[in-house]
Formats: sequence, C-alpha cells, structure tokens
Amino acid sequence: DADVTQTPRNRITKTGKRIMLECSQTKGHDRMYWYRQDPGLGLQLIYYSFDVKDINKGEISDGYSVSRQAQAKFSLSLESAIPNQTALYFCATSGRGRTDTQYFGPGTRLTVL
Amino acid sequence: GQSLEQPSEVTAVEGAIVQINCTYQTSGFYGLSWYQQHDGGAPTFLSYNALDGLEETGRFSSFLSRSDSYGYLLLQELQMKDSASYFCAVNTNAGKSTFGDGTTLTVKP
Repeated sequence: DADVTQTPRNRITKTGKRIMLECSQTKGHDRMYWYRQDPGLGLQLIYYSFDVKDINKGEISDGYSVSRQAQAKFSLSLESAIPNQTALYFCATSGRGRTDTQYFGPGTRLTVL
Repeated sequence: GQSLEQPSEVTAVEGAIVQINCTYQTSGFYGLSWYQQHDGGAPTFLSYNALDGLEETGRFSSFLSRSDSYGYLLLQELQMKDSASYFCAVNTNAGKSTFGDGTTLTVKP
C-alpha cells in the first residue's frame, strides 16, 4: 500500500463550487504539506503543518484553506473554485528533521471549468 | 524571499553524462535537495547536500558550494528511463522547501 494517498485522483468541477482534496499518510510523519504544480513549472507551497495544532500559510495560500484532522490526515479546500486554480495538487510528508526527505502522494489533477 | 534558477531543458544521449545546474538566493539556507518527476507522476527524492562537496548515490551525484550559492546534479551512464524533470529545492531553517521550476531531461538513443 502507498505511504501517502490522495483522493480524488482526478476532479472536474465548475466555477464557484467548493472542493475538498484529501491526503492520508501511514509514514507516521508529523509534517505535512500541500503543493500546487502548473504545467512546466515547479511546486508552489500552499500550506504546511508541522503538527496537528500548527498550520502555516505558504507562498500561494489565497483562495485555499486547510484542516489537519489528525496526524495522518491533511485536507485542502477550495471554498469557491476558479479556473486559474486548475492544476496538479500534491500532498507531501516529512519527518521532523530539517534534512528529512519529503515523500509525495500521487497527486490530484483538478480542472475548474 | 527565495529564488532558484535551473535550465529549462537539457538533451543528452544514452550512456552519456549530463550536469544540471542550480543557483539559488535564499535566507536561512540549510541544504539543497534534488527530486525527479516523471511526466504526471509524483516527485521522488534523489539526493541532498547540506555541506560543500559531492554526494554520490549510484549513477547520480550532487554537488554543493554554499559560498557560490550553487549546486548541480550529475547523472552518469544515462538511460532512457532517466528522461524526466529534475527539480532542485532549497531547505530552509524554517523547515520548509522552495522548489525551482525544473529541468526537463530528454535522453535520446
């Protein structure tokens, strides 16, 4: 079984709809991250969480919100989706050390029409 | 803020050696990581440098010069399966990473 899972894997929605992307991990990591990737570009950090009670904004948090329901679960919400939020979304986890590798989920491809 | 620069595309032939450079500007620098991403797939960790010098992991090596704010990923004995995007990422004291825009490597027969 995969260590980091994301649901759904693909989603098509309409402008103005509320969307939730979910991430679960079995690696026992404290730190979790949400990234967005646009075609041909790198990963932009949306939000990150170092433990259940610690949530931080990343580079591009506007239009997004998150919830850390448990150590193993971190969900990303788009309250009112817009077309320029069409992208590939990745969840990642890491241990507590600054050198710890990030482990990525398989991604969610979101299309907003 | 943080910024990273790496070439957008590199092409090489099977069996060759290729070097992908990365220059960065950042505050609170802690280390430089490299990730590989095949088309549409999840990024996977390749290598990490916190100190100056070369780190070798099989066919892949990574180098860091902190004084020059520069690093590179060296891929040897290229194989077709190495065709992918490669990202450098700076790890900071804040415990988060900033990624470059990636280098698309095409390996030709």
